[in-house]
Amino acid sequence: GESVGLHLPTLSVQEGDNSIINCAYSNSASDYFIWYKQESGKGPQFIIDIRSNMDKRQGQRVTVLLNKTVKHLSLQIAATQPGDSAVYFCAEILRIKAAGNKLTFGGGTRVLVKP
Amino acid sequence: NAGVTQTPKFQVLKTGQSMTLQCAQDMNHNSMYWYRQDPGMGLRLIYYSASEGTTDKGEVPNGYNVSRLNKREFSLRLESAAPSQTSVYFCATLGGATLGSYNEQFFGPGTRLTVL
Repeated sequence: GESVGLHLPTLSVQEGDNSIINCAYSNSASDYFIWYKQESGKGPQFIIDIRSNMDKRQGQRVTVLLNKTVKHLSLQIAATQPGDSAVYFCAEILRIKAAGNKLTFGGGTRVLVKP
Repeated sequence: NAGVTQTPKFQVLKTGQSMTLQCAQDMNHNSMYWYRQDPGMGLRLIYYSASEGTTDKGEVPNGYNVSRLNKREFSLRLESAAPSQTSVYFCATLGGATLGSYNEQFFGPGTRLTVL
């Protein structure tokens, strides 16, 4: 069935270094992909998204890369800060005719930023 | 502009009791979603509603029912709660493109449900 998964459950990063969070997806028909950040006790917060017809998109300190050949998505965080410590989820959006948009989430990667 | 609101924030039920989780949005988004998140896990889609008047099952719909009351409100009902339904429940919406994203989406603060 459809699934979105992550390679690394926990990522420890030194403050100031760059972080790379990976995600594998299985549904090649997905139209969009989104990265979310979730802090303890809060709901997921949108970070950045990318269309399936794009390879790269940049935001503020974040870059998302999409490799459709190997069905891989990554989130790069530049100059990681203590406030970046959180769980990060990727999600895929599939447009289903007559049923709208369906979001499926991956299992999440916990990022721990060391001072 | 409150975004996505959920009530209640916390709830404890006994096995077999029923309850309804409420979700409301003021962003005029068409699509609304209910997810559950178990400790240390990702979000799993329970039900979603692409637009007012339509609802569809997600990954884990068993034991739940939903109602899209109007464009603003999407409720989730547990008819006979079970301990396996102990989780955090999130409501979310999905709108159209904004300057910063292709799909504007917001999550509510969550409802923490414990079933004894």
